[in-house]
Amino acid sequence: DAGVIQSPRHEVTEMGQEVTLRCKPISGHDYLFWYRQTMMRGLELLIYFNNNVPIDDSGMPEDRFSAKMPNASFSTLKIQPSEPRDSAVYFCASSPGTSHEQYFGPGTRLTVT
Amino acid sequence: DAKTTQPNSMESNEEEPVHLPCNHSTISGTDYIHWYRQLPSQGPEYVIHGLTSNVNNRMASLAIAEDRKSSTLILHRATLRDAAVYYCILRDVYTGGFKTIFGAGTRLFVKA
Repeated sequence: DAGVIQSPRHEVTEMGQEVTLRCKPISGHDYLFWYRQTMMRGLELLIYFNNNVPIDDSGMPEDRFSAKMPNASFSTLKIQPSEPRDSAVYFCASSPGTSHEQYFGPGTRLTVT
Repeated sequence: DAKTTQPNSMESNEEEPVHLPCNHSTISGTDYIHWYRQLPSQGPEYVIHGLTSNVNNRMASLAIAEDRKSSTLILHRATLRDAAVYYCILRDVYTGGFKTIFGAGTRLFVKA
């Protein structure tokens, strides 16, 4: 298995632009998580899905952030408009419902200038 | 969510055992104790979890105090590859679902 796949691995954009981060979970996993990691705030859970349905989005910082999961093999995290303070590493993780383990992707490093 | 307290950093010599402590004095009866680690420039990686009994797997051992207010992750023989940030996390799978709150963790340095 290829593991959790995230794209792009690096993204540099200007303030005000729309940014879309993509994630392909491990096949068969019915939970999907989006995290953000910064030096100041550490690793934060933004939102998670179960069977493509958002379960808890209390960690989404603002209305500028939105996440979708149109099917079991794909999810997006969109920031519109982006701001410099959104610069961070964004991780996607997936988990089978029967397991305690979450499997993390390699992350997308976002830089907003 | 119950909170955990870990030392900011620890140091170990290669090929020696490492005991990483975690305090969780407000743990509830349904909180599972999870450990993850994050190697440099990588996503977190699951290490081990337990509820009440000590647990062993190929990566590590988890020793849980009888009152469950603390636990210790044990790496039996540290290697340079074990240098990472180790996170101790409590998760109530019954009321909290899959919500996972990461703290600051312990940064482990391994000396050759």
